[in-house]
Amino acid sequence: EPEVTQTPSHQVTQMGQEVILRCVPISNHLYFYWYRQILGQKVEFLVSFYNNEISEKSEIFDDQFSVERPDGSNFTLKIRSTKLEDSAMYFCASRVPGTGLEKLFFGSGTQLSVL
Amino acid sequence: GENVEQHPSTLSVQEGDSAVIKCTYSDSASNYFPWYKQELGKRPQLIIDIRSNVGEKKDQRIAVTLNKTAKHFSLHITETQPEDSAVYFCAASRGGNTPLVFGKGTRLSVIA
Repeated sequence: EPEVTQTPSHQVTQMGQEVILRCVPISNHLYFYWYRQILGQKVEFLVSFYNNEISEKSEIFDDQFSVERPDGSNFTLKIRSTKLEDSAMYFCASRVPGTGLEKLFFGSGTQLSVL
Repeated sequence: GENVEQHPSTLSVQEGDSAVIKCTYSDSASNYFPWYKQELGKRPQLIIDIRSNVGEKKDQRIAVTLNKTAKHFSLHITETQPEDSAVYFCAASRGGNTPLVFGKGTRLSVIA
C-alpha cells in the first residue's frame, strides 16, 4: 500500500528556533493536510493545501506557521519561532482529488519537542 | 465550528468481551463520521466510517451506529482480541474538503 512519508520522525529544538517538518505525499495525491496532536489531547486540524495555496486553516495556524510545496513532491510545514506549546506530534495527510475523506492517508508523524 | 467529544478516555476489557466507545458532535451539518485506530508509534488508520444517510454499518467484528437526532455515534467492537489494543479516534466532517475534527481518543486495552 502506498504511504505518506514524514521526516524526521523526531525533532528536538530550542525555543525560538525555526523548524521545518517534511512530508512526501503519495504521488497522485493533490490535497494535503497538516494535523497536530499535543500529548494526551485530540488530533487538531492545522491547514489544508491544494493547487499551491492554502484552502483552509484553523486558528492554531497563525503567522508563525507556513506551508509550501517547494519542489512538487515535498510538502513542508515551517514554524518560524517555536514555542514550548508547539511540542506535539505533527501528522501530514493527503488524498486524491475527487475522493472523499475516507481516502485520506496519514503519515506516521513527526514528534516535535521544543525545549 | 464543529466540536467532537469522545468517551471514555481509557477502556479496559477482557479478551472476548465487547467494547463500546461513544462520540458526540455539535455541528448538525456534519455528515461523515470515521473511526481511526492508532497503534503505538504508528499512523492513524481508518477502520470504519459512516455517512449520515445510514444509521448503522458493520464490518466483521466492528460496527458503528449513528443517531443524527441526538448527534452521537458509537464504535462497537465484539469478541475483542489483544491486537485490538490501541487508541481509537472518532472524527466528524461536513464532507467535501472540509477538514476532519477529531475526538480526544480512547485508549483500549484488551486483557488476555
